[in-house]
Amino acid sequence: DQQVKQNSPSLSVQEGRISILNCDYTNSMFDYFLWYKKYPAEGPTFLISISSIKDKNEDGRFTVFLNKSAKHLSLHIVPSQPGDSAVYFCAAISSGTYKYIFGTGTRLKVLA
Amino acid sequence: DVKVTQSSRYLVKRTGEKVFLECVQDMDHENMFWYRQDPGLGLRLIYFSYDVKMKEKGDIPEGYSVSREKKERFSLILESASTNQTSMYLCASSELGSRADTQYFGPGTRLTVL
Repeated sequence: DQQVKQNSPSLSVQEGRISILNCDYTNSMFDYFLWYKKYPAEGPTFLISISSIKDKNEDGRFTVFLNKSAKHLSLHIVPSQPGDSAVYFCAAISSGTYKYIFGTGTRLKVLA
Repeated sequence: DVKVTQSSRYLVKRTGEKVFLECVQDMDHENMFWYRQDPGLGLRLIYFSYDVKMKEKGDIPEGYSVSREKKERFSLILESASTNQTSMYLCASSELGSRADTQYFGPGTRLTVL
């Protein structure tokens, strides 16, 4: 049973436009959410996170939104750049555990 | 800069072979993790360790074992490799009690089992 889902396996966006990546979860015990970016032949790198006590967190061009009632989070990248082309994973974790649950990933392609 | 290194980037093994994947981190992190990444399945946790000689099973431990004799080194062992263990293997480390924003990943080992 996939507790964290990324229903779009791929997304293409024009350079300069907004990229929106979505993630849904089923476990209401999750209280911390993260986005990772992964380039080919490299390990994932942390991008941005959000605690369940917030509904928005912003870091430069990246903003994560959390809708707890809908069990949905999204990552907005504005403006998108070709260097943002990568696979993006969302992940969730519950307090008191070390076990991160990752989504299946969305491959973002930003077209120049 | 935190560095997590994995012994091989690419590995080809035969069915039935014993396979060792090594991971070393240089930041004195307590926690270390082994994941596998497969298309359409994301990252799945195989095992993790929160201290030397301590380990816990993740979601898919079957067919794998681990060893942590030193704090900086976490080894993943495939006792008898099978073709369904062909995958990208990722090691990660983090500080004790930290959230995943301090989970650092290695570059991965792409293992092919023939």
